[in-house]
Amino acid sequence: KNQVEQSPQSLIILEGKNCTLQCNYTVSPFSNLRWYKQDTGRGPVSLTIMTFSENTKSNGRYTATLDADTKQSSLHITASQLSDSASYICVVSAQTSYDKVIFGPGTSLSVIP
Amino acid sequence: DAMVIQNPRYQVTQFGKPVTLSCSQTLNHNVMYWYQQKSSQAPKLLFHYYDKDFNNEADTPDNFQSRRPNTSFCFLDIRSPGLGDAAMYLCATSRVGTGQETQYFGPGTRLLVL
Repeated sequence: KNQVEQSPQSLIILEGKNCTLQCNYTVSPFSNLRWYKQDTGRGPVSLTIMTFSENTKSNGRYTATLDADTKQSSLHITASQLSDSASYICVVSAQTSYDKVIFGPGTSLSVIP
Repeated sequence: DAMVIQNPRYQVTQFGKPVTLSCSQTLNHNVMYWYQQKSSQAPKLLFHYYDKDFNNEADTPDNFQSRRPNTSFCFLDIRSPGLGDAAMYLCATSRVGTGQETQYFGPGTRLLVL
């Protein structure tokens, strides 16, 4: 069964600190893995996308890693800001005729002053 | 800027009264998706259009229909909204066939059923 798991479910950190979010997946055949940020009441916004051959991708203060062998990914946020408070969703795409994706449950991040 | 636009952002309807949500895109993407997202849950795919081809998910209720009159626009029709249909509805687009597919989401329409 295609599945995406994320941990932790929620996280509270102090402004300026770093954090790492985890994603494990069992999706086959694998096409790519994406991290999205979703603010409350808004649509998800893409942060990174990685294919099988890529093991790291950065977007500003966001750095995603992918280990296709162990089927694990992480999203590292450096020097967190209050505006980073959001849900971070790991999304894995299966190779199909269209972009069939499996969403993780998300990690709710709260950055506090 | 190229983007995915959803209107309205908030929609209030009465139980059983048909409602239509709209989505437009300036990305010229060939695939458009409609998702339903309830509080603290992952988005759930309702259906997608690959060009003009409509593809319904097996567990999407018959109450939900969609139209795509052209590449840019896609509509979600809820024929008889029930209280359980109150949710955020997300439209997304992607250009399939590039090998770097990703979905671009609109801001969503929050539907309230009274």
